[in-house]
Amino acid sequence: DIQMTQSPSSLSASVGDRVTVTCRASQSITSYLNWYQQIPGKAPRLLLYAASTLQSGVPSRFSGSGSGTDFSLTISSLQPEDFATYYCQQTYSTPHTFGQGTRLEIK
Amino acid sequence: EVQLVESGGGLVKPGGSLRLSCAASGFTFSAYSMNWVRQAPGKGLEWVSSISNAGNYIHYVDSVRGRFTISRDDAKDSLYLQMNSLRAEDTALYYCARSRTAYSGSIYFDYWGQGTLVTVSS
Repeated sequence: DIQMTQSPSSLSASVGDRVTVTCRASQSITSYLNWYQQIPGKAPRLLLYAASTLQSGVPSRFSGSGSGTDFSLTISSLQPEDFATYYCQQTYSTPHTFGQGTRLEIK
Repeated sequence: EVQLVESGGGLVKPGGSLRLSCAASGFTFSAYSMNWVRQAPGKGLEWVSSISNAGNYIHYVDSVRGRFTISRDDAKDSLYLQMNSLRAEDTALYYCARSRTAYSGSIYFDYWGQGTLVTVSS
């Protein structure tokens, strides 16, 4: 199975900050990497797929990059509604494993 | 509007069974692969199973293989998860999610239901 490791596990930041979350795969997954946002009590929401393609309706302050084993999610200017938990997921092979999550908290 | 509505969760004793359902609307259900993803209380997301649009490709995470069965009824626009020999570690909120495939071949889950809670406890 492919293991997905996110860092950091938690992050404190302020509105307006630029933040980056990283995700590392245990083997190459080319660009088969998705990012999801989950607000407490809500279902996950797709942000980006294929490493860098923004899902329809997602604000352009979210961006993704990477290929192979190393990926990143960047939020260019944090908004109050962005404080949530973020998960990466590989769909290169089954099981379609998720990272452990990165909790983004208000400083 | 795409909607996925899960049902069938509840409290069950270890070794018991449950059948989860996911009712789909707002899209051509038969054209899409579907998935079950679970989240234990306070924990992260775990992909559980997927089924292709034709129902001929099915995959499971190792921890449920042989105990859970995914299926679909395109005439009823519904996805199912039959869960047998349940264990305490199966306690989780179970989501159904729709798959899409990008031009590059990358699969992603673009719509999710709100989940149904399964609690396995004596």
